[in-house]
Amino acid sequence: GNSVTQMEGPVTLSEEAFLTINCTYTATGYPSLFWYVQYPGEGLQLLLKATKADDKGSNKGFEATYRKETTSFHLEKGSVQVSDSAVYFCALTVTSTLTFGKGTMLLVSP
Amino acid sequence: EAGVAQSPRYKIIEKRQSVAFWCNPISGHATLYWYQQILGQGPKLLIQFQNNGVVDDSQLPKDRFSAERLKGVDSTLKIQPAKLEDSAVYLCASSLERAGNEQFFGPGTRLTVL
Repeated sequence: GNSVTQMEGPVTLSEEAFLTINCTYTATGYPSLFWYVQYPGEGLQLLLKATKADDKGSNKGFEATYRKETTSFHLEKGSVQVSDSAVYFCALTVTSTLTFGKGTMLLVSP
Repeated sequence: EAGVAQSPRYKIIEKRQSVAFWCNPISGHATLYWYQQILGQGPKLLIQFQNNGVVDDSQLPKDRFSAERLKGVDSTLKIQPAKLEDSAVYLCASSLERAGNEQFFGPGTRLTVL
């Protein structure tokens, strides 16, 4: 079956620090990979995606590269802001159904 | 463009009671999803509709959960009777018809079963 494993949180950083949130996956077929973000009190929002190996998704300063050889899709940002505090979910789809990881909470302090 | 609407936002019931959630997807989105998100976990798909037909309900506990999407637009998810372990956020999402299209999520309904 399909599964996603994320690093456990919370991840606590100071403003302007470098962020990495690890994500690895197991899938049958050729998945598309996603990062979703959930701000407090809001619904899930798509942050970025990659649909094939070696693709790099990017948005709002966040990046993630689809690594087929290591089955990974790690999320990175060079300089986090307080407003980035949220829960981040890695997800995959092979057809149309999304399979999510457990989520990683990010807390950024001034 | 209006997003996915859900109501109510919060609901508190006692075990063995029934509850219903409502979802209005983005206009023109043929595919509608209901997810259950238990605290500390990622969302888990309960049911997927394509227009008003069910595509996948393999993880829906059919002895107590039911869902319908009349006329291929709005949808309701019902739990009857509720159990303590049903306490979760219920998320509705919609997408265009093709596989791989982005899913847009509503704000969710937080259910607490006492």
